[in-house]
Amino acid sequence: NAGVTQTPKFQVLKTGQSMTLQCAQDMNHNSMYWYRQDPGMGLRLIYYSASEGTTDKGEVPNGYNVSRLNKREFSLRLESAAPSQTSVYFCASRRRTGTNEKLFFGSGTQLSVL
Amino acid sequence: EDQVTQSPEALRLQEGESSSLNCSYTVSGLRGLFWYRQDPGKGPEFLFTLYSAGEEKEKERLKATLTKKESFLHITAPKPEDSATYLCAVPPDGSGNTGKLIFGQGTTLQVKP
Repeated sequence: NAGVTQTPKFQVLKTGQSMTLQCAQDMNHNSMYWYRQDPGMGLRLIYYSASEGTTDKGEVPNGYNVSRLNKREFSLRLESAAPSQTSVYFCASRRRTGTNEKLFFGSGTQLSVL
Repeated sequence: EDQVTQSPEALRLQEGESSSLNCSYTVSGLRGLFWYRQDPGKGPEFLFTLYSAGEEKEKERLKATLTKKESFLHITAPKPEDSATYLCAVPPDGSGNTGKLIFGQGTTLQVKP
């Protein structure tokens, strides 16, 4: 039972390079999310997708783009990486059955931009 | 501005020494308060959801309670394996999307044997 799978686990980029973080879930959830986690800042929402074919901005979307490729996959792209994007990135999907609501998180991608 | 504040930032306990973690929030129309546990190098893992003042939920040595402006996570007779960062989160005002969360900065708990 894989849950939410993120790749890669670690990545080092130079300023200006681009990359895509991949996320896939096997729980048939409609909603998926991208968060970043920085020391002293807590988790902050970058983008989310309420359902296949829709995406919306979160609290800190600047410098990022997303694609909801299908129900399983939700990718995050950095077009021109900046040192301020050094962070740990978490993908999550939401299970919502009545009042039983919760997020399932992946294990994260640690990104360093030099 | 919607905010979630957790205290203390760090807590060191001896095994068996009970204590409480605090989470205060400023959203007015609460649509759920969530507690997650995060181990080093891993993603957060769901613990509890509380929806209304007076509600309580328990899981092993953990009990979460909710008032109109704050939540407490009580840890009774903790063990070293309870060492982790505990995160509190709420949806922002007006949002029914309970995956779109405002997180506190977390409380890092260390339990020494």
